[in-house]
Amino acid sequence: AQKVTQAQTEISVVEKEDVTLDCVYETRDTTYYLFWYKQPPSGELVFLIRRNSFDEQNEISGRYSWNFQKSTSSFNFTITASQVVDSAVYFCALSETNSGYALNFGKGTSLLVTP
Amino acid sequence: EAGVTQSPTHLIKTRGQQATLRCSPISGHTSVYWYQQALGLGLQFLLWYDEGEERNRGNFPPRFSGRQFPNYSSELNVNALELEDSALYLCASSLVRSGSDTGELFFGEGSRLTVL
Repeated sequence: AQKVTQAQTEISVVEKEDVTLDCVYETRDTTYYLFWYKQPPSGELVFLIRRNSFDEQNEISGRYSWNFQKSTSSFNFTITASQVVDSAVYFCALSETNSGYALNFGKGTSLLVTP
Repeated sequence: EAGVTQSPTHLIKTRGQQATLRCSPISGHTSVYWYQQALGLGLQFLLWYDEGEERNRGNFPPRFSGRQFPNYSSELNVNALELEDSALYLCASSLVRSGSDTGELFFGEGSRLTVL
Protein backbone atom coordinates (compact mmCIF):
# COMPACT_ATOMS: atom_id res chain seq x y z
CA ALA A 1 0.00 0.00 0.00
CA GLN A 2 1.20 3.44 -0.80
CA LYS A 3 1.61 6.09 1.82
CA VAL A 4 2.72 9.72 1.92
CA THR A 5 4.00 11.31 5.11
CA GLN A 6 4.37 15.01 5.71
CA ALA A 7 5.74 15.13 9.21
CA GLN A 8 5.54 18.91 9.53
CA THR A 9 1.99 19.89 10.39
CA GLU A 10 2.60 23.62 10.63
CA ILE A 11 5.55 25.87 9.84
CA SER A 12 5.83 29.55 10.56
CA VAL A 13 8.56 31.70 9.02
CA VAL A 14 9.28 35.35 8.59
CA GLU A 15 9.23 36.80 5.11
CA LYS A 16 12.44 36.29 3.10
CA GLU A 17 13.43 33.19 5.04
CA ASP A 18 13.97 29.95 3.13
CA VAL A 19 11.74 27.05 4.11
CA THR A 20 11.79 23.35 3.25
CA LEU A 21 8.70 21.16 3.34
CA ASP A 22 9.41 17.48 3.82
CA CYS A 23 7.69 14.60 2.08
CA VAL A 24 8.44 10.91 2.53
CA TYR A 25 6.60 8.24 0.58
CA GLU A 26 6.16 4.48 0.48
CA THR A 27 5.21 2.42 -2.54
CA ARG A 28 5.85 -1.04 -3.92
CA ASP A 29 5.62 0.17 -7.50
CA THR A 30 8.80 0.76 -9.42
CA THR A 31 7.04 3.35 -11.58
CA TYR A 32 5.10 6.06 -9.87
CA TYR A 33 4.51 9.80 -9.88
CA LEU A 34 5.02 12.36 -7.16
CA PHE A 35 3.24 15.69 -6.95
CA TRP A 36 3.09 18.87 -4.94
CA TYR A 37 -0.09 20.92 -4.68
CA LYS A 38 -0.79 24.20 -2.96
CA GLN A 39 -4.09 25.02 -1.28
CA PRO A 40 -4.35 28.74 -0.52
CA PRO A 41 -7.01 30.06 1.87
CA SER A 42 -9.44 30.29 -1.05
CA GLY A 43 -9.52 26.48 -1.03
CA GLU A 44 -8.77 25.58 -4.64
CA LEU A 45 -5.89 23.16 -5.09
CA VAL A 46 -3.15 24.43 -7.38
CA PHE A 47 -0.76 22.08 -9.15
CA LEU A 48 2.91 22.86 -8.60
CA ILE A 49 4.93 19.95 -10.00
CA ARG A 50 4.89 16.32 -11.11
CA ARG A 51 7.96 14.11 -10.98
CA ASN A 52 8.31 10.61 -12.48
CA SER A 53 10.00 7.93 -10.44
CA PHE A 54 12.65 7.39 -13.08
CA ASP A 55 13.64 11.07 -13.20
CA GLU A 56 15.64 12.08 -10.16
CA GLN A 57 16.76 15.41 -11.50
CA ASN A 58 16.13 18.23 -9.13
CA GLU A 59 14.01 21.04 -10.46
CA ILE A 60 13.96 24.75 -9.90
CA SER A 61 11.15 27.07 -10.88
CA GLY A 62 11.68 30.62 -9.74
CA ARG A 63 11.75 30.61 -5.94
CA TYR A 64 10.58 26.99 -5.82
CA SER A 65 12.85 23.96 -5.95
CA TRP A 66 12.30 20.26 -5.48
CA ASN A 67 14.74 17.58 -4.30
CA PHE A 68 13.77 14.04 -5.26
CA GLN A 69 15.83 11.24 -3.73
CA LYS A 70 14.72 7.67 -4.38
CA SER A 71 17.33 6.32 -1.98
CA THR A 72 15.54 7.96 0.93
CA SER A 73 12.05 7.95 -0.66
CA SER A 74 11.82 11.68 -0.22
CA PHE A 75 10.52 14.50 -2.37
CA ASN A 76 11.19 17.73 -0.51
CA PHE A 77 10.06 21.19 -1.54
CA THR A 78 12.00 24.36 -0.80
CA ILE A 79 10.74 27.92 -1.08
CA THR A 80 13.53 30.47 -1.25
CA ALA A 81 13.00 33.98 0.06
CA SER A 82 9.46 33.24 1.20
CA GLN A 83 6.70 35.78 0.73
CA VAL A 84 3.42 36.34 2.52
CA VAL A 85 1.58 35.08 -0.58
CA ASP A 86 3.24 31.70 -0.06
CA SER A 87 1.06 31.17 3.01
CA ALA A 88 -1.02 28.09 2.23
CA VAL A 89 -1.34 24.40 2.91
CA TYR A 90 1.02 22.36 0.78
CA PHE A 91 0.27 18.76 -0.11
CA CYS A 92 2.62 16.10 -1.36
CA ALA A 93 0.97 13.26 -3.27
CA LEU A 94 1.76 9.96 -4.94
CA SER A 95 0.09 8.04 -7.75
CA GLU A 96 0.86 4.63 -9.15
CA THR A 97 0.82 3.70 -12.82
CA ASN A 98 -2.45 1.81 -12.83
CA SER A 99 -4.49 4.30 -10.90
CA GLY A 100 -4.71 7.14 -13.39
CA TYR A 101 -4.10 10.24 -11.38
CA ALA A 102 -5.84 8.93 -8.31
CA LEU A 103 -3.57 10.69 -5.89
CA ASN A 104 -2.71 9.53 -2.41
CA PHE A 105 -2.16 12.78 -0.53
CA GLY A 106 -0.16 13.47 2.58
CA LYS A 107 -1.90 15.28 5.42
CA GLY A 108 -0.42 18.58 4.29
CA THR A 109 1.87 21.18 5.81
CA SER A 110 0.39 24.54 6.71
CA LEU A 111 2.88 27.29 5.96
CA LEU A 112 2.45 30.72 7.47
CA VAL A 113 4.72 33.49 6.25
CA THR A 114 4.58 36.64 8.34
CA PRO A 115 5.84 40.08 7.32
CA GLU B 1 -11.57 28.34 -20.93
CA ALA B 2 -13.82 27.35 -18.05
CA GLY B 3 -12.25 25.41 -15.22
CA VAL B 4 -13.74 22.53 -13.29
CA THR B 5 -17.09 23.58 -11.93
CA GLN B 6 -18.91 22.03 -9.01
CA SER B 7 -22.39 22.46 -7.63
CA PRO B 8 -23.79 23.15 -5.20
CA THR B 9 -21.23 25.23 -3.35
CA HIS B 10 -22.81 24.41 -0.03
CA LEU B 11 -25.27 21.74 0.95
CA ILE B 12 -26.88 21.07 4.30
CA LYS B 13 -28.54 17.73 4.98
CA THR B 14 -29.65 15.73 7.97
CA ARG B 15 -28.54 12.26 8.98
CA GLY B 16 -30.03 9.51 6.87
CA GLN B 17 -30.72 11.73 3.87
CA GLN B 18 -29.04 11.51 0.48
CA ALA B 19 -26.74 14.09 -1.07
CA THR B 20 -25.94 14.56 -4.74
CA LEU B 21 -22.96 16.62 -5.84
CA ARG B 22 -22.19 17.54 -9.43
CA CYS B 23 -19.04 18.23 -11.38
CA SER B 24 -18.30 19.48 -14.88
CA PRO B 25 -14.74 18.83 -16.04
CA ILE B 26 -12.64 21.04 -18.21
CA SER B 27 -13.65 20.73 -21.84
CA GLY B 28 -11.73 17.87 -23.43
CA HIS B 29 -10.94 16.11 -20.18
CA THR B 30 -12.35 12.60 -19.99
CA SER B 31 -11.26 11.66 -16.47
CA VAL B 32 -13.02 12.85 -13.33
CA TYR B 33 -11.85 12.26 -9.78
CA TRP B 34 -13.64 12.79 -6.50
CA TYR B 35 -11.90 13.52 -3.23
CA GLN B 36 -13.13 14.06 0.30
CA GLN B 37 -11.40 16.63 2.50
CA ALA B 38 -12.66 16.17 6.01
CA LEU B 39 -11.29 18.04 9.00
CA GLY B 40 -8.34 16.17 10.45
CA LEU B 41 -8.35 13.49 7.76
CA GLY B 42 -6.77 15.32 4.89
CA LEU B 43 -7.58 14.66 1.25
CA GLN B 44 -8.83 11.17 0.58
CA PHE B 45 -9.40 9.67 -2.85
CA LEU B 46 -12.98 8.56 -3.41
CA LEU B 47 -13.60 7.64 -7.05
CA TRP B 48 -12.10 7.85 -10.52
CA TYR B 49 -14.23 7.82 -13.66
CA ASP B 50 -12.94 7.72 -17.19
CA GLU B 51 -14.94 7.37 -20.39
CA GLY B 52 -18.08 6.67 -18.40
CA GLU B 53 -16.61 3.82 -16.39
CA GLU B 54 -15.58 3.62 -12.75
CA ARG B 55 -11.85 2.89 -12.92
CA ASN B 56 -10.81 2.97 -9.31
CA ARG B 57 -12.29 3.44 -5.90
CA GLY B 58 -10.88 4.55 -2.58
CA ASN B 59 -11.52 3.00 0.80
CA PHE B 60 -15.09 4.23 1.23
CA PRO B 61 -18.31 2.30 1.91
CA PRO B 62 -20.72 1.48 -0.93
CA ARG B 63 -23.08 4.28 0.09
CA PHE B 64 -20.61 6.54 -1.69
CA SER B 65 -21.31 6.10 -5.38
CA GLY B 66 -21.35 8.08 -8.55
CA ARG B 67 -21.46 8.05 -12.28
CA GLN B 68 -20.07 9.78 -15.31
CA PHE B 69 -22.30 10.94 -18.10
CA PRO B 70 -21.62 10.84 -21.86
CA ASN B 71 -20.56 14.50 -21.75
CA TYR B 72 -17.99 13.51 -19.07
CA SER B 73 -19.70 15.40 -16.30
CA SER B 74 -20.09 13.44 -13.11
CA GLU B 75 -22.15 13.23 -9.99
CA LEU B 76 -21.33 11.88 -6.58
CA ASN B 77 -24.09 10.39 -4.47
CA VAL B 78 -23.84 9.82 -0.77
CA ASN B 79 -26.65 7.76 0.70
CA ALA B 80 -27.67 7.34 4.33
CA LEU B 81 -25.68 10.37 5.38
CA GLU B 82 -23.73 10.23 8.61
CA LEU B 83 -22.36 13.11 10.64
CA GLU B 84 -18.78 12.21 9.66
CA ASP B 85 -19.63 12.71 5.99
CA SER B 86 -19.44 16.44 6.64
CA ALA B 87 -16.54 17.57 4.49
CA LEU B 88 -15.41 19.48 1.45
CA TYR B 89 -15.85 17.31 -1.63
CA LEU B 90 -13.44 18.16 -4.40
CA CYS B 91 -13.75 17.17 -8.02
CA ALA B 92 -10.80 17.15 -10.38
CA SER B 93 -10.37 16.42 -14.04
CA SER B 94 -7.48 15.45 -16.27
CA LEU B 95 -6.64 14.19 -19.66
CA VAL B 96 -6.14 10.45 -19.82
CA ARG B 97 -2.64 9.60 -18.69
CA SER B 98 -0.33 9.66 -21.66
CA GLY B 99 3.21 10.54 -22.46
CA SER B 100 2.28 14.00 -23.52
CA ASP B 101 0.20 15.26 -20.66
CA THR B 102 1.64 17.10 -17.69
CA GLY B 103 0.05 14.91 -15.08
CA GLU B 104 -1.85 17.81 -13.68
CA LEU B 105 -5.17 17.35 -11.97
CA PHE B 106 -7.31 20.45 -12.26
CA PHE B 107 -9.46 20.90 -9.18
CA GLY B 108 -12.75 22.64 -8.69
CA GLU B 109 -13.49 24.80 -5.69
CA GLY B 110 -15.43 22.06 -3.99
CA SER B 111 -18.84 21.43 -2.52
CA ARG B 112 -19.10 21.75 1.23
CA LEU B 113 -21.49 19.21 2.67
CA THR B 114 -22.73 19.66 6.21
CA VAL B 115 -24.65 16.84 7.84
CA LEU B 116 -26.69 17.77 10.91
